[in-house]
Amino acid sequence: QKEVEQDPGPLSVPEGAIVSLNCTYSNSAFQYFMWYRQYSRKGPELLMYTYSSGNKEDGRFTAQVDKSSKYISLFIRDSQPSDSATYLCAMSFLQGGSQGNLIFGKGTKLSVKP
Amino acid sequence: GAGVSQSPSNKVTEKGKDVELRCDPISGHTALYWYRQSLGQGLEFLIYFQGNSAPDKSGLPSDRFSAERTGGSVSTLTIQRTQQEDSAVYLCASSPRASNTGELFFGEGSRLTVL
Repeated sequence: QKEVEQDPGPLSVPEGAIVSLNCTYSNSAFQYFMWYRQYSRKGPELLMYTYSSGNKEDGRFTAQVDKSSKYISLFIRDSQPSDSATYLCAMSFLQGGSQGNLIFGKGTKLSVKP
Repeated sequence: GAGVSQSPSNKVTEKGKDVELRCDPISGHTALYWYRQSLGQGLEFLIYFQGNSAPDKSGLPSDRFSAERTGGSVSTLTIQRTQQEDSAVYLCASSPRASNTGELFFGEGSRLTVL
């Protein structure tokens, strides 16, 4: 079993739809959870991060972490064609002197159709 | 430039040749990371630098891979005797400090094709 599992998609939705992207993980030691967005032929960019369990909202984006289920989600409301990208989840451990070694999911490719 | 700069953006080479990939991080960022992104495989950690030293090089796939960083700034990833399975996008990232919070700033990558 991979440490981080993410459905690669592709996921195609109409403009304005609510999008739900998810990752599961196996290592309960993960404490930090991130979502990166990667446009085609570009580097990933940090979208949101959360520490431990709970929700975090930023505009149209909401990140949820359920540590008891080892499950994280990213919701996109009122999706736009400009949201079309690959979304990668990532997570890391809480360690003293950590090197910031993130474990990434494989990414879900999202297409929002006008 | 304001962002992480990588060169070359594209590199096509023949099997068995050596290649060098360069990363110029954001000014003042002390931490630098190399990742590899293969089709359908996600991002694979290769090596992490703090300043000029590499506390974690556990992700380098073989002894054909090496990396160095000089002056706490520019880093070079070298792949010797390239193989077809080395074909991938090599991404460099930097951050102001070693970070658990995922605040990595990525470059656009160097796309390597080994024929």
